[in-house]
Amino acid sequence: GQQVMQIPQYQHVQEGEDFTTYCNSSTTLSNIQWYKQRPGGHPVFLIQLVKSGEVKKQKRLTFQFGEAKKNSSLHITATQTTDVGTYFCGAGGTSYGKLTFGQGTILTVHP
Amino acid sequence: EAGVVQSPRYKIIEKKQPVAFWCNPISGHNTLYWYLQNLGQGPELLIRYENEEAVDDSQLPKDRFSAERLKGVDSTLKIQPAELGDSAVYLCASSLRTSGGRETQYFGPGTRLLVL
Repeated sequence: GQQVMQIPQYQHVQEGEDFTTYCNSSTTLSNIQWYKQRPGGHPVFLIQLVKSGEVKKQKRLTFQFGEAKKNSSLHITATQTTDVGTYFCGAGGTSYGKLTFGQGTILTVHP
Repeated sequence: EAGVVQSPRYKIIEKKQPVAFWCNPISGHNTLYWYLQNLGQGPELLIRYENEEAVDDSQLPKDRFSAERLKGVDSTLKIQPAELGDSAVYLCASSLRTSGGRETQYFGPGTRLLVL
């Protein structure tokens, strides 16, 4: 079946530093979605990428979808303490609506 | 717009007891998902409904887990009997299938289950 790997598992940064998490799939994807989960909270949708090579920005967050549609990245510029949480990628395969989630990257930001 | 509602938020039971979780999706969302999330892991799909039809239940341990969405709106997930390893957060999500193929899953707050 489809396997989704996310790296790194943990990332500790000083406030103001940049942060990147990577998501890699064993199969070609129809789309990829990114979610953020605050400690004790539930996953909250951030963005969906569909096109090969797509790049989208949301303020300090930049999302990329690889040319082969098998990997993706989320980059945060100048992290803030409000960025703390776990970032998950959800990989969409051939079955419409079904997402396979990575294990997440836990981001901690030291003020 | 109200979000996905789940109840109870927390549940503590002894092993071998039954337990049920309830989910009310966002109004108009035809797709409903039940996920299991273990500590430090991503959500794992248990079952997905399109309206009242279970279209993907391949990951549901059917010997002890059951789910229903009788009228295509609310859903219930049941475990009987519960085992120690079932301790986890059970998340419900809903989405609206669009003609453009773009779909966002909205998650509820989850039910945190502890089996003693």
